[in-house]
Amino acid sequence: AQTVTQSQPEMSVQEAETVTLSCTYDTSESDYYLFWYKQPPSRQMILVIRQEAYKQQNATENRFSVNFQKAAKSFSLKISDSQLGDAAMYFCAYRSGGGGSNYKLTFGKGTLLTVNP
Amino acid sequence: DAGVTQSPTHLIKTRGQQVTLRCSPKSGHDTVSWYQQALGQGPQFIFQYYEEEERQRGNFPDRFSGHQFPNYSSELNVNALLLGDSALYLCASSPGTGELFFGEGSRLTVL
Repeated sequence: AQTVTQSQPEMSVQEAETVTLSCTYDTSESDYYLFWYKQPPSRQMILVIRQEAYKQQNATENRFSVNFQKAAKSFSLKISDSQLGDAAMYFCAYRSGGGGSNYKLTFGKGTLLTVNP
Repeated sequence: DAGVTQSPTHLIKTRGQQVTLRCSPKSGHDTVSWYQQALGQGPQFIFQYYEEEERQRGNFPDRFSGHQFPNYSSELNVNALLLGDSALYLCASSPGTGELFFGEGSRLTVL
């Protein structure tokens, strides 16, 4: 079974600074996807960024980027120019590949990010 | 375009009771998944429905059951409620690409 570990229960960052959230995972599969989700107090999980395991290039979405180290099974999220609206719980998640019928996500326990003005 | 909608948003039940939670997927989405998120934890996969059938199931007892209707909406039923069933229940829909869109959840408290 796959596992996802987020070793930082809480992180804080000053507004406009950069912060990196860590995630490691364990799998024996070669085809999979990795995600970072954001969950603000409104409770809705919002997709921040996704990475396909077969792609060597790290994904980037505006101020959000990942450092995907496949051999080390590491998938960290970097948030640049942090904004107050970035404050939320961040979850790392794993999904097996193998076609479009698999929708099971395995989540880590989350990292609570605080942004200080 | 409405997103994933869930009802009720909050509810309180007592041990032994039964509960039904409802989910309407985003327009054009035919697959619905349910997750349980205990306080301070990440969501855990309960099951997934497609074409009105349960396609995948996580490690949850048979007390947890579901249904998908022809209009793709879905229900999650939990029987014989336990204190440990208190959680946020999240519904997610997908258009078949594997990308999930989540609702805001139903907060269940079992007393």
